[in-house]
This record gives sequence, C-alpha cells and structure tokens, in this order.
Amino acid sequence: NAGVMQNPRHLVRRRGQEARLRCSPMKGHSHVYWYRQLPEEGLKFMVYLQKENIIDESGMPKERFSAEFPKEGPSILRIQQVVRGDSAAYFCASSPPSAANYGYTFGSGTRLTVV
Amino acid sequence: AQSVSQHNHHVILSEAASLELGCNYSYGGTVNLFWYVQYPGQHLQLLLKYFSGDPLVKGIKGFEAEFIKSKFSFNLRKPSVQWSDTAEYFCAVTTPLVFGKGTRLSVIA
Repeated sequence: NAGVMQNPRHLVRRRGQEARLRCSPMKGHSHVYWYRQLPEEGLKFMVYLQKENIIDESGMPKERFSAEFPKEGPSILRIQQVVRGDSAAYFCASSPPSAANYGYTFGSGTRLTVV
Repeated sequence: AQSVSQHNHHVILSEAASLELGCNYSYGGTVNLFWYVQYPGQHLQLLLKYFSGDPLVKGIKGFEAEFIKSKFSFNLRKPSVQWSDTAEYFCAVTTPLVFGKGTRLSVIA
C-alpha cells in the first residue's frame, strides 16, 4: 500500500518560470492538503482539496498559486512566475473522508529552489 | 482561528536525559491534538494523537503526551532520549491541521 507520493523530490526553476508539484494520495484517501515549510517557520497550511473541489484555500497566496485535484490523476500545486521567496519544501498530505480530523499521512515533499 | 505555540525553538540534551517539549494551543472548541516528528531530510511522521478519553497518550518510540484542558497544553515527554531522537518536533491541532513552528531537538552523546 503505497503512501503519499510526491514528485519531483527536488525541483529547480529560474525566476519567472512555472513550477508544478504533484501529489498522489494514499489509496482510498480523497482529501488532499498542501503545506509549505520554510526554515524557522514550521509548516504553513496552504489549501485543502477533495476530488474536483477546493474546500479551503485560506492559506494560499492570492496571486501566482493555484491547486487542483481532478477526478482522475494527482493533485497539482502550480506556482506561476516563481520568485526566490517561493523556495521552500512543499508537503502534501492525505486522509480518508471519514478521518479528516484524525491526522494525515504526509508525503516526502518537493524541495523547490528558485535560482 | 486556531494557533499553536511551541515554546522551545531548539533543545539540546545529552543521551539518557529526560525530555519535555511544550505546546499550547488556542481554540475554543473540541480539539484533536497531534505530535509529528520530522527526521533530517525526511517527511513528517505521526508520533501520537489525542481525541478524547485518557489525557495521557502514549505514542511510538517511547513518547507520551499529556493533554491538560485547563492549560490548553499538550506537552510531549520522553523519559530517556537517544541520539536517534534528533529531529524536529511539531505540535498540531485540527482542522485542517495547524502546526506550531516546531522544536529542533539535538541529542548529543
């Protein structure tokens, strides 16, 4: 039973390019959460999605960031026109619908470096 | 809005010393509380969780945490740390999970 799969593990982008981060939840999990981790700042919630729906995006920057979780395929976190300040580790987590309050399973993260 | 405070930014202990990491939360309703651990270069792993019942919760690797409702606290403890416990520890509250800033634990021989 594969865990939460994130790819790529490491992503390097030049300023102004687009970054696409992928997350495949655990089998049977239909809830996906994205977090950003910056040094000395812990994990910041970004967005919570169910299949084809954004449930809570209160942590997403208003510009350049978007997320989707289509009916088929992985969840995608998209960052357009990246800037140096976007460099961080981005973690995805998933949970089943019946256990959304009972803790999440995290992926290994994507480390984005903007040069 | 929920918030989580972890008092210690960086803790350095010798092997076999006892550990207590503080966590306070701010939330008016019923909470579910968690401690996660992140070993260097790895993803977050669940150490333990509290939903209801016995306020003393036992987790993996000898860790335990005590929920004290009157103090809005959920401190993590371990009687005797090992070098392999060197990691970052995050307290979190639902929902969606809101994390504290983390406490980095360094265990030295």
